[in-house]
Amino acid sequence: EVQLVESGGGLVKPGGSLRLSCVASGFTFSSYWMNWARQAPGKGLEWVANIKQDESDKYYVDSVKGRFAISRDNAKNSLYLQMNSLRVDDTAVYYCARGYYDSGGTHFDYWGQGTLVTVSS
Amino acid sequence: DIQMTQSPSSLSASVGDRVTITCRASQGISNYLAWYQQKPGKVPKLLIYAASTLQSGVPSRFSGSGSGTDFTLTISSLQSEDVAAYYCQKYNSAPLTFGGGTKVEIK
Repeated sequence: EVQLVESGGGLVKPGGSLRLSCVASGFTFSSYWMNWARQAPGKGLEWVANIKQDESDKYYVDSVKGRFAISRDNAKNSLYLQMNSLRVDDTAVYYCARGYYDSGGTHFDYWGQGTLVTVSS
Repeated sequence: DIQMTQSPSSLSASVGDRVTITCRASQGISNYLAWYQQKPGKVPKLLIYAASTLQSGVPSRFSGSGSGTDFTLTISSLQSEDVAAYYCQKYNSAPLTFGGGTKVEIK
C-alpha cells in the first residue's frame, strides 16, 4: 500500500524557517518524481515544487523561488521542503504527492495527509 | 505561465442530475490535464488523468473530455457522496497549475 507521511509543520514567526519531511512507503521511491502542494485555509490547491528522481531537475512556483528548496534522500525514501523567509501568506496545509508519469507529464496519483504550517507573529 | 480557469466556481444540483464542470487553459496543453476530487476535510483524490482516463477505482459516472485548451468533467448522475470540491490541473510542464476549484453541493 502506498503511503506518504508528512511531518515538520508548526507555528513559526514571519521571516522564520521550517523543514518539512515526507516519508514514503509501499513503492520504489527512487523511481518517481515527487511534489509538494499546499492549500491555504479555505482556499484552493497550489502546486509548490517538484523534483526528479535523481534530483537533476527541480521546479518551483514563482512565489517561493529563492525561499524554498526541495530535496530528497532516496536511501531514506524521504522528500524534504526547506522553507526560509516564511511569510504570513505561506500559511497552509502542505501535501506531499507522488508524480505518476504518463507520456510526457506527471499527475499526482497519491497524496499524503498533509502537515499544517502557520506563519504568524 | 499558463492559467487554468474553472467554471462555475460553485453549483448546486439534485441527486441524479448530470453535472458538468469546465476547465480552460490559457494556452494549449494537449491532453495533460488531471481532475481531482476533495471532499470536505479530506485529502485530494485523483479522478481522471490524460484528460479522459479514469483512475482505477473511480466510479464510471465520472468522465472527462477535451484537448488543447478546453476540458470538461462530467458526473452523469450526481450522488450525495459526490459533494466535494473539484480541481483541474495542467501537468505538461512546470508550473503544474491548478484551477480555482468548483464546489459541488446537493440541492
